This record gives sequence, structure tokens and C-alpha cells, in this order.
Amino acid sequence: NAGVTQTPKFQVLKTGQSMTLQCAQDMNHNSMYWYRQDPGMGLRLIYYSASEGTTDKGEVPNGYNVSRLNKREFSLRLESAAPSQTSVYFCASSENRGPGRPQHFGDGTRLSIL
Amino acid sequence: AQSVTQPDIHITVSEGASLELRCNYSYGATPYLFWYVQSPGQGLQLLLKYFSGDTLVQGIKGFEAEFKRSQSSFNLRKPSVHWSDAAEYFCAAARGNYGGSQGNLIFGKGTKLSVKP
Repeated sequence: NAGVTQTPKFQVLKTGQSMTLQCAQDMNHNSMYWYRQDPGMGLRLIYYSASEGTTDKGEVPNGYNVSRLNKREFSLRLESAAPSQTSVYFCASSENRGPGRPQHFGDGTRLSIL
Repeated sequence: AQSVTQPDIHITVSEGASLELRCNYSYGATPYLFWYVQSPGQGLQLLLKYFSGDTLVQGIKGFEAEFKRSQSSFNLRKPSVHWSDAAEYFCAAARGNYGGSQGNLIFGKGTKLSVKP
């Protein structure tokens, strides 16, 4: 019972490099989300996808792009990594975007940018 | 602006003691409310949620939370803390509408719980 799977778990990049974080869920959920978590900041929404084929910006979208590849997969891309993007990134999914459907989280990707 | 506030950054309690973690929200109307727990190196796990009805809600792992409209609060409680409860706890809120951005969660900044033996 995998739930939400994120790859990789850890990554170190140099400033200016690009990278794609992968996320897949096996719960047949419609909605998927990308968050970043920084010390003392809680979780902040980067992008979300209410359903396959749609994506929308969240609170902190600058410097990121996303792709909802299919119902299962939602990727996050850093085109030109910056040290300010050092963070822990979480992917989540829910059955529907409504608040009655709690979000299920992956274990995170710890990203360091030098 | 909508916001969720957790006033305590770090709390230490003794094993077996009771626990209360505070959460206050600021919304135009009563939002939907959640508590999540994050163990070190892990993702977030839902403890409990409040939508309407009874103001005292029960969750997993022996946790409960009480919604108080007059105080705009949704505090998390546990009668007797176990060492395995050491983790970071996040309160979150969302509006009730499907579609649009109002269904998204807004998180508090978290409260780290340490448990003394």
C-alpha cells in the first residue's frame, strides 16, 4: 500500500542546474499538490492540480513549473535552481479538492542547492 | 487575510502528562479544520478533522480537539503523552468551497513536541 511516492528522497544541486521532482499516487485521487517546507514556516503551497489536465499556482510558485502527466503523476520542475529553493518538498493527493477530502502526503524530497 | 496561528513553537512535556497544543484561525467564516502530525524524516499524517457538528472531535492515536467558535480556536489535546508522540504538529484550515483556491489548505507554522522520560 504505497500511497504517495516521491523520488528522489535526497538531492544536492548546484546553482543554475535543473531538476524534476517526481510524485506518483496509487489511490486514484483526482487532486495533487506540491508544497515546500522551511524551518519555522510550516508548509506553503507551490502548485496544485485539481484534476488531470489542470494546474494552478499556489502561494509560492515563482521559480517552479509543474506537469500533471496523468491521473497518477504530478511532477515539479526547477529550471534554474537557486539557493533560496533549498527546502523539503512534499507532494500530496486527495480524492477531491473539497476540504472534506483530507490530503495524503509523501515522505518528502530533501533538496539542497549550493 | 486568512491565516492559521500556532502560538507555541516548541513544547516539552513529561511522559504521562497531559498535552494541549494551541491553534487559532482567522477566516471570514468558520473554516474546515485539521491537525496533522509529522514524525522526523516523514511526511504529514492526518490526526483529525472538524467540519461541523460536535465541537469535540476524536482522532487517531488517542488525540482529540475542541473547536471553539467564540475563540476562533481548535486546540489539540491528549490526556497522557507517550514518548512516541514526540513530533511536529501542524494545524491547517480550508474554506468549504469546491473548486477555486479556497479549498486549499493553509497551514500553521507548527509546534514541535518533545517528551521527557
